[in-house]
Amino acid sequence: GESVGLHLPTLSVQEGDNSIINCAYSNSASDYFIWYKQESGKGPQFIIDIRSNMDKRQGQRVTVLLNKTVKHLSLQIAATQPGDSAVYFCAETPVNQGAQKLVFGQGTRLTINP
Amino acid sequence: KAGVTQTPRYLIKTRGQQVTLSCSPISGHRSVSWYQQTPGQGLQFLFEYFSETQRNKGNFPGRFSGRQFSNSRSEMNVSTLELGDSALYLCASSLQGNEQYFGPGTRLTVT
Repeated sequence: GESVGLHLPTLSVQEGDNSIINCAYSNSASDYFIWYKQESGKGPQFIIDIRSNMDKRQGQRVTVLLNKTVKHLSLQIAATQPGDSAVYFCAETPVNQGAQKLVFGQGTRLTINP
Repeated sequence: KAGVTQTPRYLIKTRGQQVTLSCSPISGHRSVSWYQQTPGQGLQFLFEYFSETQRNKGNFPGRFSGRQFSNSRSEMNVSTLELGDSALYLCASSLQGNEQYFGPGTRLTVT
């Protein structure tokens, strides 16, 4: 069935350190994955995405890694800043489904300690 | 370019009533999706509209419905409200691919 789960519900890191948020998915038909950041009182904000034909994609201070063998996705945030404190969601969707149906994980709350 | 807008931002309704929420997508975006977010269930997909047609639907009862207008604006309706319908309702729009942009949501409280 379709389910996306996160390994850790909360994560605290020191400002300036790197953080890694993990996510497992179960739908082998999924071939598009996205990470969203949600701050209090706001809607989810797109961070980075990756398609199943890739295993790594980098953005500004963020890197997403995809391991299709074990159906695992991770988000790495480098040199964390106070503004990175938020809840992070992974989401997946089968691109060939032809519709915008995202299946979200439960979320990980990241806290950056000064 | 303006982002996704949702109205109203906050709403309080009584059990048994019905409610209509509105979403205006980013200009040029033709796909609008709706999600329900609760602490217990997280973010769950409700339905998606593209060019006024519902293309996909999540696992919600028939009390939840939606529509899309020719200008891509979308509304969702919940009839016969239940306490469990209290949630943040999020709308997201996309051009045609999977990169969805979310609005700030409508916080619905059912008493």
